[in-house]
Amino acid sequence: AQKVTQAQTEISVVEKEDVTLDCVYETRDTTYYLFWYKQPPSGELVFLIRRNSFDEQNEISGRYSWNFQKSTSSFNFTITASQVVDSAVYFCALSEASGTYKYIFGTGTRLKVLA
Amino acid sequence: EAQVTQNPRYLITVTGKKLTVTCSQNMNHEYMSWYRQDPGLGLRQIYYSMNVEVTDKGDVPEGYKVSRKEKRNFPLILESPSPNQTSLYFCASSLEGLSTEAFFGQGTRLTVV
Repeated sequence: AQKVTQAQTEISVVEKEDVTLDCVYETRDTTYYLFWYKQPPSGELVFLIRRNSFDEQNEISGRYSWNFQKSTSSFNFTITASQVVDSAVYFCALSEASGTYKYIFGTGTRLKVLA
Repeated sequence: EAQVTQNPRYLITVTGKKLTVTCSQNMNHEYMSWYRQDPGLGLRQIYYSMNVEVTDKGDVPEGYKVSRKEKRNFPLILESPSPNQTSLYFCASSLEGLSTEAFFGQGTRLTVV
């Protein structure tokens, strides 16, 4: 069965700390896609990154970085030197090339960055 | 500007009063879907559409209807809303099915009393 687990319900950090949000997925497909979305307090869903199952290269974008490891079925997200504006709910999602026609979302991790 | 537009943003209604939440995208995407977001449950798919006149149920379709008469529009219909349909609803579209990222509307916060 397909599933995305974000075990961290809520994380609080002090500004400038680094923080890692965990995402573990389950799928039987060999071709699949992983995503991260940010939901700020205003409520919209903002796309952050997409990865396909054949590309295990880690990615860095400014203060954000992503670590994709097929061996542990994880796609973790790290924010370096966190800022108050990073406070949001972050969702990890999975889609598959065959079978299910949906994005499977984790339950989200609420990140609070304290000044 | 590429976008998915939902209306209304906020709605309070009474049990049993039919309502429609509209969704429109200007990106010529074939795939569109509706999700509801509830605390502790993440986003769950209600219905999806692979193209015009092609729709199918998601994980939580009970109490909802959809239609896809035009490529750009994908309205969500609640024929007889009930309090358990109080939720935050998102419409989404994507260019190449599910292999690319979904673009989401701004969300519709629905309260059924």
